[in-house]
Amino acid sequence: AQSVTQLDSHVSVSEGTPVLLRCNYSSSYSPSLFWYVQHPNKGLQLLLKYTSAATLVKGINGFEAEFKKSETSFHLTKPSVHMSDAAEYFCVVIGGATNKLIFGTGTLLAVQP
Amino acid sequence: DGGITQSPKYLFRKEGQNVTLSCEQNLNHDAMYWYRQDPGQGLRLIYYSQIVNDFQKGDIAEGYSVSREKKESFPLTVTSAQKNPTAFYLCASSISGGEHYEQYFGPGTRLTVT
Repeated sequence: AQSVTQLDSHVSVSEGTPVLLRCNYSSSYSPSLFWYVQHPNKGLQLLLKYTSAATLVKGINGFEAEFKKSETSFHLTKPSVHMSDAAEYFCVVIGGATNKLIFGTGTLLAVQP
Repeated sequence: DGGITQSPKYLFRKEGQNVTLSCEQNLNHDAMYWYRQDPGQGLRLIYYSQIVNDFQKGDIAEGYSVSREKKESFPLTVTSAQKNPTAFYLCASSISGGEHYEQYFGPGTRLTVT
């Protein structure tokens, strides 16, 4: 069975500093992995996706993630965060032929001025 | 503009009443999904449909029903049998049910049942 674990429920950083949001996955075969962002009371927006092409994936708003098979990780990073990045971030793995998304429990990112 | 619309944004109902949440997409996507979001639990799949006139139960389908009579529309009914209906409900769609296609989400409906 496929699963995803987000290692931090809350992360707080200062504006202009880098951020790392951690995600580990479990999959019996080569997975497709996504990061979504959700601002308060809004729907989810796709930040980036990995589908077995380049292991370093660049997304929108300066975010990127690196797929590391040996570590079963897909951590999300940004070199310099803005106040507008404050939101909840979900790591997601796709499970099987139904395109069923399996969500992590989310990481709430707070950005301090 | 292409996208997914959900209405209403906020919905209030009395316990024991059925309520239907709307989801419409103009992306020409074949597959549509309903999720429920509760604090600290991520999103959980309620129902999904990969093609018109066909749908399958997700992980938490009890107390919910859906229909897919048109490609663009996938309404969700929260019945009185759902024991804990207060939640944020998100609709999504994807090009097809294939494994590599990301899902696009609507803005959500927050349902409060008292």
